[in-house]
Amino acid sequence: DVVLTQSPLSLPVTLGQPASISCRSSQSLLHSDGDTHLNWFQQRPGQSPRRLISRVSNRDSGVPDRFSGSGSGTDFTLKISRVEAEDVGVYYCMQGTQWPWTFGQGTKVEMK
Amino acid sequence: EVQLVESGGDLVQPGGSLRLSCAASGFTFRNYWMHWVRQVPGKGLECVSYISVDGRTTNYAGSVKGRFTVSRDNAKNTIYLQMNSLRVEDTGVYYCARDDHGHYDLWGQGTLVTVSS
Repeated sequence: DVVLTQSPLSLPVTLGQPASISCRSSQSLLHSDGDTHLNWFQQRPGQSPRRLISRVSNRDSGVPDRFSGSGSGTDFTLKISRVEAEDVGVYYCMQGTQWPWTFGQGTKVEMK
Repeated sequence: EVQLVESGGDLVQPGGSLRLSCAASGFTFRNYWMHWVRQVPGKGLECVSYISVDGRTTNYAGSVKGRFTVSRDNAKNTIYLQMNSLRVEDTGVYYCARDDHGHYDLWGQGTLVTVSS
C-alpha cells in the first residue's frame, strides 16, 4: 500500500500567520492517466471531512484562496497564507492513484 | 441539495452482521463510482470498498476482503455495505463518498458502527 507521511502531526498556529503541512508519499502519485491524484481534506470537530484541494493544487469551490496546494511526484505541501480561527481542525492528505487509496495520519491545527 | 445520507450503524457483537445504507440525492447517482470509507479511533481514515457505476466492479481493503460486500441500487440511488463476521477492530464511523475520478468530492455525515460484547 502507498504510505503517506504527514508532518508535523501537531501544528500550533497564530492568527494571521502562515502555516504549512507536508505530505510525503512512499511512491510516486503520478497516475498513468497523467494526473496526480493527491487531495487535501479538512475535518473540523464533529464534522465529516471536506475536500479543500484536488489534483495537488486545484482548490474546490467555496474554499478560501488562503489555502493552496503544491508539489509533485512524492512531495506535497498544503499552505495557509494567513490562518483564521475557523481553520482549526485536522488536515489529511489522501492519494487516489493506487488502490487501496490511503490517507496521511492527519495534522491537528490548533491555536496557540 | 446534493447530499449523501448514511444509515444502519449500530452496536453489534463480535461475529455479528450489519448492513449499512447510503442514500444519494441532488445529483445523477448512476454516473458515479461510490466508496465506503471508515474512520477508526486512533487509526485515522481507511478506504474500505468501492463500486462501479453499474455495480459490476468492486474492490475491498485487505482488512475486510471476504467479510464485507458492497452493492448498489441505481433505481433507489443507494449503495449498501453488508458487513459479516464483524470484529472489534471494525468499530468506527463509516462514511460513503462520491468518487470524482480518484478524488472524494462529496461525503456523507457518517454512521457509527460499534463492535463489542
